[in-house]
Amino acid sequence: DADVTQTPRNRITKTGKRIMLECSQTKGHDRMYWYRQDPGLGLRLIYYSFDVKDINKGEISDGYSVSRQAQAKFSLSLESAIPNQTALYFCATSDPYRNQPQHFGDGTRLSIL
Amino acid sequence: AQTVTQSQPEMSVQEAETVTLSCTYDTSESNYYLFWYKQPPSRQMILVIRQEAYKQQNATENRFSVNFQKAAKSFSLKISDSQLGDTAMYFCAFAAGVIQGAQKLVFGQGTRLTINP
Repeated sequence: DADVTQTPRNRITKTGKRIMLECSQTKGHDRMYWYRQDPGLGLRLIYYSFDVKDINKGEISDGYSVSRQAQAKFSLSLESAIPNQTALYFCATSDPYRNQPQHFGDGTRLSIL
Repeated sequence: AQTVTQSQPEMSVQEAETVTLSCTYDTSESNYYLFWYKQPPSRQMILVIRQEAYKQQNATENRFSVNFQKAAKSFSLKISDSQLGDTAMYFCAFAAGVIQGAQKLVFGQGTRLTINP
């Protein structure tokens, strides 16, 4: 089983819909991240959470919200999806106390028509 | 704020050749980590190699090695004896601090590498 699981793997939806991307992890890491990947732009940070009570905006948080329901779960929501939010979304986790790099899920490809 | 720049959007080499991917970064931090991630068509993000800024010795992992030039803020990836399985998008990334995983990552734009048979 994957350590970091993202659901759904792919999603096609329409403009204006509310969408939630979910991330769950079995690694026991406190820190979780949401990144967005666009061609020619690399990955950019949307939101990050250093523990359940600590949530921070990243570089491109406008149009997104997050919820850290538990140490293991970090969800990303698009309240009213727009076409330019079409992208590949990654969740990642890390544990600084183990001095290891971030570990990524397999991504959710989101297409907004 | 930190920035990471990969100036080669695409590269293509023949199998068994050596290829070097370029990465430059800008930061005022003294302590940081640099990473190269590989993203094959399966779209997984796979860590290839990492470098601690305080270490002068360049990191190596089998056929992968880096040329870390701290003063020039340059961090290139060399792939020796390239294989078809090396075909992927490669991302250079930066993390501030002395502890891996303590801070968010800043990524470059990516380089799409194709290994031809």
